[in-house]
Amino acid sequence: GAVVSQHPSRVICKSGTSVKIECRSLDFQATTMFWYRQFPKQSLMLMATSNEGSKATYEQGVEKDKFLINHASLTLSTLTVTSAHPEDSSFYICSALRGLGYEQYFGPGTRLTVT
Amino acid sequence: GDSVTQMEGPVTLSEEAFLTINCTYTATGYPSLFWYVQYPGEGLQLLLKATKADDKGSNKGFEATYRKETTSFHLEKGSVQVSDSAVYFCARGRDDKIIFGKGTRLHILP
Repeated sequence: GAVVSQHPSRVICKSGTSVKIECRSLDFQATTMFWYRQFPKQSLMLMATSNEGSKATYEQGVEKDKFLINHASLTLSTLTVTSAHPEDSSFYICSALRGLGYEQYFGPGTRLTVT
Repeated sequence: GDSVTQMEGPVTLSEEAFLTINCTYTATGYPSLFWYVQYPGEGLQLLLKATKADDKGSNKGFEATYRKETTSFHLEKGSVQVSDSAVYFCARGRDDKIIFGKGTRLHILP
């Protein structure tokens, strides 16, 4: 099946620094990728839709200047958490849309801890 | 608004027991419905889906039927295995996006 990777799988950073998370579709091209945030024992919350070659579309309540998304190629989207704070600590998951319809393939997630 | 509601876990069963995880949705129209599974340490995987009323999705012994009358998409398996231990998410489509339920953690005891 289709494979989506994320890097890094875990990252610890200090408050005030920025962290970049990469999402790659390894064996298919994805014009659309999604970024989610998952809190413990809660559902995945869609943060933004990343479209190759255009600006990301953010969900209501998500700060676009804090969570910078760049979809530079058909196989790579990045999420940069700028000026991270402890409340940004979470599990971030990306997915890539393959073909028509709703077939999303998910990455394994990145655990971010801000100290 | 659009939402997906599924039974809270954790659900603990013995091996070979019958499993039901309830899921209901609210939506206008007839959205596609999904069950995703997240095994420990892994990403979400699509388990099964149904795209129209009365469709039955099935995979790995799991089944779910799209019930328009009751706006439900309950997940069932006749005989669970220890390897089925995971978190299960019910979800519905909205445009290109997916709206997830909160997830149900399933523990299967040997």
